[in-house]
Amino acid sequence: AQRVTQPEKLLSVFKGAPVELKCNYSYSGSPELFWYVQYSRQRLQLLLRHISRESIKGFTADLNKGETSFHLKKPFAQEEDSAMYYCALLQKLVFGTGTRLLVSP
Amino acid sequence: DAMVIQNPRYQVTQFGKPVTLSCSQTLNHNVMYWYQQKSSQAPKLLFHYYDKDFNNEADTPDNFQSRRPNTSFCFLDIRSPGLGDAAMYLCATSRDRSGSPYEQYFGPGTRLTVT
Repeated sequence: AQRVTQPEKLLSVFKGAPVELKCNYSYSGSPELFWYVQYSRQRLQLLLRHISRESIKGFTADLNKGETSFHLKKPFAQEEDSAMYYCALLQKLVFGTGTRLLVSP
Repeated sequence: DAMVIQNPRYQVTQFGKPVTLSCSQTLNHNVMYWYQQKSSQAPKLLFHYYDKDFNNEADTPDNFQSRRPNTSFCFLDIRSPGLGDAAMYLCATSRDRSGSPYEQYFGPGTRLTVT
């Protein structure tokens, strides 16, 4: 079955610390994966997609087919990064349960 | 410059009383989606329209139906809401549903309460 797993419900770090939000997937084909972000009182919005290999707001994510992972990373967290982050598998429109990132001053 | 609009933002309905949630878009996208998101859970796709072609997810209850009268509007009808249907309902659009890449644009959601 197609599945996206985000093992951490909450990740709490201090400003300036590195951040890694974990995402693992289960999909038999070649996956297309996205990260969505939802800031407080705002709508879900696309953060980045694996295929474009971009860095958005300092975040990057690399697809690791061997480990079936698509972890989201940022070397130095900022307070404005505090939000809910969802990993999603495009082909089946399946979302993970999300990780709340809390960056404290 | 809202692109995906959902009305109302908050809806309270009584157990068993039909309710309709509305979504409109200014993006002229071909595809419109409805997701259900319960507290602390992932958004779950209920169905989507590709133009006028309706695609229901296998596990979407019959109680949930949808209409898309034109490109801009899509409605979610819950025929007989139960307490378990209380959730946030998200509408999303995308230009296409195949090819790579495409992204979904989400509305702010409608929070449904069933009393």
